Amino acid sequence: GIQVEQSPPDLILQEGANSTLRCNFSDSVNNLQWFHQNPWGQLINLFYIPSGTKQNGRLSATTVATERYSLLYISSSQTTDSGVYFCAVENPPNYKLTFGKGTLLTVNP
Amino acid sequence: GAGVSQSPSNKVTEKGKDVELRCDPISGHTALYWYRQSLGQGLEFLIYFQGNSAPDKSGLPSDRFSAERTGGSVSTLTIQRTQQEDSAVYLCASSLGLRSTEAFFGQGTRLTVV
Repeated sequence: GIQVEQSPPDLILQEGANSTLRCNFSDSVNNLQWFHQNPWGQLINLFYIPSGTKQNGRLSATTVATERYSLLYISSSQTTDSGVYFCAVENPPNYKLTFGKGTLLTVNP
Repeated sequence: GAGVSQSPSNKVTEKGKDVELRCDPISGHTALYWYRQSLGQGLEFLIYFQGNSAPDKSGLPSDRFSAERTGGSVSTLTIQRTQQEDSAVYLCASSLGLRSTEAFFGQGTRLTVV
């Protein structure tokens, strides 16, 4: 099956810093989503981005499907950005999402 | 409803007992998925439904696990004769349809088998 690798596995930042999280995948995808798992375990949708670039406030994401990677940018990080960020992909002909192992982000005040 | 709703939020059960976990998807969403998140395994796919049928059950870990969906809406995941290794957070998601549609997750059910 498709392999999804996220890097870095852990990231510690000072409040106000910028960061880039990466997601590499091993095959073509129909769907790619970025999630933030909050301290209560809820998966919060950040982006649905099978290709192209999107922005939402301090967050933006870019997927280059032909090169099989996606990037999540967090600017001016805040302590509330802490948590685990997951990338998940849907690889045809399967309809399930395959998740990476996540990036654990800690933002210190 | 406004979001995917799962119940119970937490469940503690004794080894060997059966448990039922419930998922109420977003209104109008025809696709429904179950995933499991455990410390050592990350987020694993279990099963998905399109309407009331389950074309892909490949992720169910054993025949003790089963799921059904009725009326194209609520789904129940049943674990029979629970084992300690079944302890995990069980997450449900729904989407408008299969293929290339955004999935939205519930808050999960934390299952602890003692």
